[in-house]
Amino acid sequence: AQSVAQPEDQVNVAEGNPLTVKCTYSVSGNPYLFWYVQYPNRGLQFLLKYITGDNLVKGSYGFEAEFNKSQTSFHLKKPSALVSDSALYFCAVREGRDDKIIFGKGTRLHILP
Amino acid sequence: GAVVSQHPSRVICKSGTSVKIECRSLDFQATTMFWYRQFPKQSLMLMATSNEGSKATYEQGVEKDKFLINHASLTLSTLTVTSAHPEDSSFYICSAENPTSGSTDTQYFGPGTRLTVL
Repeated sequence: AQSVAQPEDQVNVAEGNPLTVKCTYSVSGNPYLFWYVQYPNRGLQFLLKYITGDNLVKGSYGFEAEFNKSQTSFHLKKPSALVSDSALYFCAVREGRDDKIIFGKGTRLHILP
Repeated sequence: GAVVSQHPSRVICKSGTSVKIECRSLDFQATTMFWYRQFPKQSLMLMATSNEGSKATYEQGVEKDKFLINHASLTLSTLTVTSAHPEDSSFYICSAENPTSGSTDTQYFGPGTRLTVL
């Protein structure tokens, strides 16, 4: 069965600095990988996904993620953090197009002014 | 495109009563919708998959008689929490896949409904 891990409960980054939110996954086949962001008392917003093709995926709000098959990772990155990026970030995986999606436990990102 | 709404956003009810939560896809038709539950400081737990015109598929451990799901149209799915108890208090989130977007692998989420059972 597929699984996804976000090893950090919280990440603190100074505004203007690059940020990385880590995610590793486990699937038996080719993964469909996603990042979502959740602001307080709101649902999840889709940021980006990797299905196939270029390992570097660009998404909303200047975020990008790199698919690394050998390390089974899909870390979320942004070159320069904004205070407004502070939120809860979820990595998710599904094993196939029609398979259910599994979410990581989430990483709370704090951008310090 | 791909906007999903939920109603109500917050509901407080007495123990023993039933609560209905609506999930609507506003600008697309969703053959499949999903219901999740999110506990404080925890991830989302998939409760069930709702298919238009057929019975919902529940995840292991989710009581189908307690969490009634109806997907009567391509734009509306409802979750009814029957005989609610304080332990049912949670944040319920629905999502939908947009087949017309060409990427049914992506789910679009509603804003969530916070249920508090007194």
